[in-house]
Amino acid sequence: AQSVTQLDSHVSVSEGTPVLLRCNYSSSYSPSLFWYVQHPNKGLQLLLKYTSAATLVKGINGFEAEFKKSETSFHLTKPSAHMSDAAEYFCVVSDRASGTYKYIFGTGTRLKVLA
Amino acid sequence: NAGVTQTPKFQVLKTGQSMTLQCAQDMNHEYMSWYRQDPGMGLRLIHYSVGAGITDQGEVPNGYNVSRSTTEDFPLRLLSAAPSQTSVYFCASSRGPNTGELFFGEGSRLTVL
Repeated sequence: AQSVTQLDSHVSVSEGTPVLLRCNYSSSYSPSLFWYVQHPNKGLQLLLKYTSAATLVKGINGFEAEFKKSETSFHLTKPSAHMSDAAEYFCVVSDRASGTYKYIFGTGTRLKVLA
Repeated sequence: NAGVTQTPKFQVLKTGQSMTLQCAQDMNHEYMSWYRQDPGMGLRLIHYSVGAGITDQGEVPNGYNVSRSTTEDFPLRLLSAAPSQTSVYFCASSRGPNTGELFFGEGSRLTVL
């Protein structure tokens, strides 16, 4: 069965410094991978997705992620953090393993951006 | 374009009461799903459907029922609410795993006293 591990529950960075949010996945087949962002008391917004095309995926607001099959990772990065990036971020995996059709979420990483 | 619409946005129930959370999408998506979000636990899949008449259990299905009589609608029923079901519920739809991302409703905050 597929699963997702977000390695950090909280990450703090200073404004203008790089952001790294880590995600490892487990999947029996070729997965699709997604990053979503949730601002406080808001819904979920798609940042970017990987669906077996280019391994380096660019998303909205300057975020990008690299799919590394050998490391089963899909880490989210941004060169320079902005105050508006403070939110909770979720890594999601989906595949069709064993005839199931599920999107499985990680437990989330809360990003804090310090002025 | 409405996307995914959930109702109600807020609801307070007493233990043992029943209710239905409504979800409708206008994107002709075959795949629909319900999640609950609790602090520190991310979003956990309750039930999902890959098309009208087809439903299956997710990670935390106990205490919840679903049905899918049309492509557009996917209601979630709590037959006998318990305090452990206090949560924020999200409905989401997509063209299907491996083909597209999930589109989410705005969420429904449920409190069970």
